[in-house]
Amino acid sequence: ETGVTQTPRHLVMGMTNKKSLKCEQHLGHNAMYWYKQSAKKPLELMFVYNFKEQTENNSVPSRFSPECPNSSHLFLHLHTLQPEDSALYLCASSQVSGSNSPLHFGNGTRLTVT
Amino acid sequence: TQLLEQSPQFLSIQEGENLTVYCNSSSVFSSLQWYRQEPGEGPVLLVTVVTGGEVKKLKRLTFQFGDARKDSSLHITAAQPGDTGLYLCAGVVEYGNKLVFGAGTILRVKS
Repeated sequence: ETGVTQTPRHLVMGMTNKKSLKCEQHLGHNAMYWYKQSAKKPLELMFVYNFKEQTENNSVPSRFSPECPNSSHLFLHLHTLQPEDSALYLCASSQVSGSNSPLHFGNGTRLTVT
Repeated sequence: TQLLEQSPQFLSIQEGENLTVYCNSSSVFSSLQWYRQEPGEGPVLLVTVVTGGEVKKLKRLTFQFGDARKDSSLHITAAQPGDTGLYLCAGVVEYGNKLVFGAGTILRVKS
């Protein structure tokens, strides 16, 4: 079983829909992250959870709502998104939330907002 | 202006050629990581460098951290089609605690 698993791999949703992205890690890590990846732009950190507590919200619009029920699972709830929110959403985990702790990424969810 | 500038943005070469990609900044970094992201997958860590002037080798890949810890390079010898992907550098600014990413270099190796 891969270290970090994301579902679904692809998602198309209308601007009025509500959907959720799921991430699960089997590495025993204590920190989990959501990143947004758009073409030709650096990875944008969205949220950080350390031991299930949110430690960073990088000025993300409220139409994105994270949830971390335990150290192994992370969700991103989506509602009333905009077309510019279309991107690859990557989940990552690390041993702890910290500067040199390497990130282990999932394969992402390709989101298209119509 | 991005904190980490990667160049070139895109590189297309023939199998067997050598190449170098760069990651530059005006800031000093306490550490720098390189990731490779293949199409349809998430980034995978290749190496972490922490000491100014450090050189690390991973088979045909050579990573160097600048003496002043403001820049890094990745050199690939005898590139192969399997090296195709997006190469990302990421670093932590000295005395900071956030990992910032560059925009990446897309490498395409043609057979």
